[in-house]
Amino acid sequence: GDSVTQMEGPVTLSEEAFLTINCTYTATGYPSLFWYVQYPGEGLQLLLKATKADDKGSNKGFEATYRKETTSFHLEKGSVQVSDSAVYFCALSNNAGNMLTFGGGTRLMVKP
Amino acid sequence: SAVISQKPSRDICQRGTSLTIQCQVDSQVTMMFWYRQQPGQSLTLIATANQGSEATYESGFVIDKFPISRPNLTFSTLTVSNMSPEDSSIYLCSVERVQGGEQYFGPGTRLTVT
Repeated sequence: GDSVTQMEGPVTLSEEAFLTINCTYTATGYPSLFWYVQYPGEGLQLLLKATKADDKGSNKGFEATYRKETTSFHLEKGSVQVSDSAVYFCALSNNAGNMLTFGGGTRLMVKP
Repeated sequence: SAVISQKPSRDICQRGTSLTIQCQVDSQVTMMFWYRQQPGQSLTLIATANQGSEATYESGFVIDKFPISRPNLTFSTLTVSNMSPEDSSIYLCSVERVQGGEQYFGPGTRLTVT
């Protein structure tokens, strides 16, 4: 079945550091890929998405590129802020099933 | 996007009792989903609920334990039956607007079973 693997956290960075959170997937067909963010005490929010190979999703300074050859969708940000502290989930949606398959989540802690 | 509300936002329940969680969407949607997020864990799909048909449950989840209703295109309920402490989790509903597209999540219901 489909699966998503994320790097384990927590990831601790200083403010303005560069962020990379790795995400790789296994899926049949041509899934859509997503990053969701969960701030402390809140629900999940869609951060960005990509629906086909080589697409780049971007939002709030975050970006991720759909790499079919490496089955990856790594999340990056050039300069993190304290307010980016949250749990980040990589997910895929296989068009055939419509359900979302989530990775394990990566907690990001940004220190001033 | 979609505006999704859930009730209750949190509850503390005794083992052996049942709790019904409501999910309300601000517009009509075909597919609604119920997820469970156990403490410190990722999300696991419980079931998919389409209006006018029986919910489809994922492996490990059964209708007797998690009955779901979907009476119309803007509303759904999930009941957690005969609760045990292992049911302590955040329960989230979500909706999908475009087939194969992104899902939008409600704020979640934090359930603690004592």
